Amino acid sequence: AQSVTQPDIHITVSEGASLELRCNYSYGATPYLFWYVQSPGQGLQLLLKYFSGDTLVQGIKGFEAEFKRSQSSFNLRKPSVHWSDAAEYFCAVGAKNYGQNFVFGPGTRLSVLP
Amino acid sequence: DTEVTQTPKHLVMGMTNKKSLKCEQHMGHRAMYWYKQKAKKPPELMFVYSYEKLSINESVPSRFSPECPNSSLLNLHLHALQPEDSALYLCASSHALRDTEAFFGQGTRLTVV
Repeated sequence: AQSVTQPDIHITVSEGASLELRCNYSYGATPYLFWYVQSPGQGLQLLLKYFSGDTLVQGIKGFEAEFKRSQSSFNLRKPSVHWSDAAEYFCAVGAKNYGQNFVFGPGTRLSVLP
Repeated sequence: DTEVTQTPKHLVMGMTNKKSLKCEQHMGHRAMYWYKQKAKKPPELMFVYSYEKLSINESVPSRFSPECPNSSLLNLHLHALQPEDSALYLCASSHALRDTEAFFGQGTRLTVV
């Protein structure tokens, strides 16, 4: 079965600073990897996904993530954070096999200082 | 239309009440999901429907009863809930189970009193 860790529970950055959120996964085969963002009391919005191919994927809102198989990582980055990026970020791993589904990481809460 | 619509947005119910949560999508997706999310925790999978048949039940108590009347609609019937069942209930859908990119609704905030 797959699993996901997000080592940072809470990160605070200043507006305009760069951001990197870490995600490590465990899965025996090639995973499907996702980053979702959740504002307080809201549903989850997909930022980006990796299925195969180019290991650097671009998402919405200026986010990107890089899949590194050797490190079992899928870290999320943004070069310049905006105040509206403050939210909870979840990394998730999915499996290709029928009947299996997402496993979410514990989440990283991002605070943005003005 | 790329939306998953959940109603109601908020629900307060007593422990003896019966209520239902509703989820609707018109994207032609054939897999639909219910997740439960407690505060400051990630979503936890409850049920998965594929082609209107229950595919996965993650050992959810029987006081939660899912129903998929058609390919666009997913219900979650609630009966005799406990205060610890208070949470955000999220619905999601995807093209198929093999396609694990899911689209999430905004959730129903449930409070059991």
